[in-house]
Amino acid sequence: DTGVSQNPRHKITKRGQNVTFRCDPISEHNRLYWYRQTLGQGPEFLTYFQNEAQLEKSRLLSDRFSAERPKGSFSTLEIQRTEQGDSAMYLCASSPLNQPQHFGDGTRLSIL
Amino acid sequence: QKEVEQNSGPLSVPEGAIASLNCTYSDRGSQSFFWYRQYSGKSPELIMFIYSNGDKEDGRFTAQLNKASQYVSLLIRDSQPSDSATYLCAVPGGTSYGKLTFGQGTILTVHP
Repeated sequence: DTGVSQNPRHKITKRGQNVTFRCDPISEHNRLYWYRQTLGQGPEFLTYFQNEAQLEKSRLLSDRFSAERPKGSFSTLEIQRTEQGDSAMYLCASSPLNQPQHFGDGTRLSIL
Repeated sequence: QKEVEQNSGPLSVPEGAIASLNCTYSDRGSQSFFWYRQYSGKSPELIMFIYSNGDKEDGRFTAQLNKASQYVSLLIRDSQPSDSATYLCAVPGGTSYGKLTFGQGTILTVHP
């Protein structure tokens, strides 16, 4: 069990650029979740997958955000045309079905 | 009313004391409850989960659940400076272990 792995750990980009984050879940965890966390707040749910199927998306997830898990293993989260308000920590978690979630170390996004 | 509410604190206790962290939730249908610990700059770490009314103990940690009052708490006995962190209460969004809705977290400081 190597834990949930997220890359990159930090991303600094200019407003308007596209960014993509990767998450590798704990092996054999069929559920994978994305959350966003800003300073002083708890994580906010964005979306989750069961295997390769995206089962739920938050209303917070605008059409600039897209997530994929094409083979039911790793997942990517892309943000297009980044805005200042996208600056946050993006957290990935994974779990077996109906079990508690375990989080990766996150990707910190800073928009200049 | 927020779905999950916690006192943001900060809560300060002396070393060796009992720290009591509280959480209320709005969905009467919630079946399970999670406590995560988050050190500054790190990702949330699962420390306890509970789904039956009453108490659940694990080492120095005790989770208490009262579904009638829609209240869940976390007690930390013999608090140590290493317990200083933000404690997040989380509730699944549905009847299965799907998306988590987090409170804003309570900052705990244990001073020597």
